[in-house]
Amino acid sequence: AQTVTQSQPEMSVQEAETVTLSCTYDTSESDYYLFWYKQPPSRQMILVIRQEAYKQQNATENRFSVNFQKAAKSFSLKISDSQLGDAAMYFCAYRSAPGGGSNYKLTFGKGTLLTVNP
Amino acid sequence: NAGVMQNPRHLVRRRGQEARLRCSPMKGHSHVYWYRQLPEEGLKFMVYLQKENIIDESGMPKERFSAEFPKEGPSILRIQQVVRGDSAAYFCASSPRADTEAFFGQGTRLTVV
Repeated sequence: AQTVTQSQPEMSVQEAETVTLSCTYDTSESDYYLFWYKQPPSRQMILVIRQEAYKQQNATENRFSVNFQKAAKSFSLKISDSQLGDAAMYFCAYRSAPGGGSNYKLTFGKGTLLTVNP
Repeated sequence: NAGVMQNPRHLVRRRGQEARLRCSPMKGHSHVYWYRQLPEEGLKFMVYLQKENIIDESGMPKERFSAEFPKEGPSILRIQQVVRGDSAAYFCASSPRADTEAFFGQGTRLTVV
């Protein structure tokens, strides 16, 4: 079974600065997807960014980028130019690729609470 | 196109009562997933349904919990004889196919008193 570990329960960053959230995972599969979700106080789960394991290039979405290290099974999220609206709980998640077992099921880490200081 | 709609947003039940949580998937989505988020935890998979079928219920507690997704109407997660440990946020997600992106609703926060 796959596991996802987020070792930072809480992080803080000054507005306009950069912060990196860590995530490691364990799997025996070679093809899979990795995600970062944002959960603000409204509780809505918002997809921030996704990475396909077969792609070597790190995914980017505006101010959000990932550092995907497949051999190390590491998937960190970098938020640049942090804004007050980035304050939220961030969850790292894993999903098997099509053709893999239970490829509809997301496995989540426990989350990192990000505080943005003005 | 409205997103995944869950209701109620908040539900309070006394121990021993039944809780019914509803989820209307996005238009065109026939695959529904339920997740539970306990305090200080990430979301954990409970059950995966397609119209009128339960595909995977490996994450569902063996007793008191059931789910359905009828041909017409929303998906229902039903918890009988609730206990304090059932207090959590319950999220529904839907997708057009099993291997595509799933979109989440805003969740139902169940409090058992």
